[in-house]
Amino acid sequence: GQNIDQPTEMTATEGAIVQINCTYQTSGFNGLFWYQQHAGEAPTFLSYNVLDGLEEKGRFSSFLSRSKGYSYLLLKELQMKDSASYLCAPSDSNYQLIWGAGTKLIIKP
Amino acid sequence: GAVVSQHPSWVICKSGTSVKIECRSLDFQATTMFWYRQFPKQSLMLMATSNEGSKATYEQGVEKDKFLINHASLTLSTLTVTSAHPEDSSFYICSLAGTGHTEAFFGQGTRLTVV
Repeated sequence: GQNIDQPTEMTATEGAIVQINCTYQTSGFNGLFWYQQHAGEAPTFLSYNVLDGLEEKGRFSSFLSRSKGYSYLLLKELQMKDSASYLCAPSDSNYQLIWGAGTKLIIKP
Repeated sequence: GAVVSQHPSWVICKSGTSVKIECRSLDFQATTMFWYRQFPKQSLMLMATSNEGSKATYEQGVEKDKFLINHASLTLSTLTVTSAHPEDSSFYICSLAGTGHTEAFFGQGTRLTVV
């Protein structure tokens, strides 16, 4: 079957760094996406990894290990506006995104 | 990236009535669109894949006669929730995806409340 595993909730301090882990099992694999979703809004795209390694984009970085079925999203210099849910979504053999429940990130001053 | 416009952003309706949600691709010819539903604190659940000019493909457990999908043009897909019940209250989101490895582009979502 297809499965996504992320922590349900994490708390971090403004200005700090946080790493959100994701493990996945899919039927085939065509890359992994990370999305940010604020409450009551649609998800917004953050990053895409298809090869192993780290992709850096400003304050956000995403890492992928295909052999381990593992990815993480790293957020640096946390800001209050980063409080949101972060969704890990691998793409299966049909290029269909498989969604996990997401990780709710709470940023405290 | 592609722009997707979803309307309405929120709607309140009486139990037993029908509600239509529109999803427009403003700058991309979308042969395929996806309809999702999301209950509070839960993941996005794919309901159906909307195919232009043909019947939609529904996920297991989604009633095709209750959730009518029409994709008559390359820029418009509609989802009609028929005979809505309070348990249909949810956040409905459409998206279109590019080919290959591109990201999904989402509409703004529709918050449906059935009273």
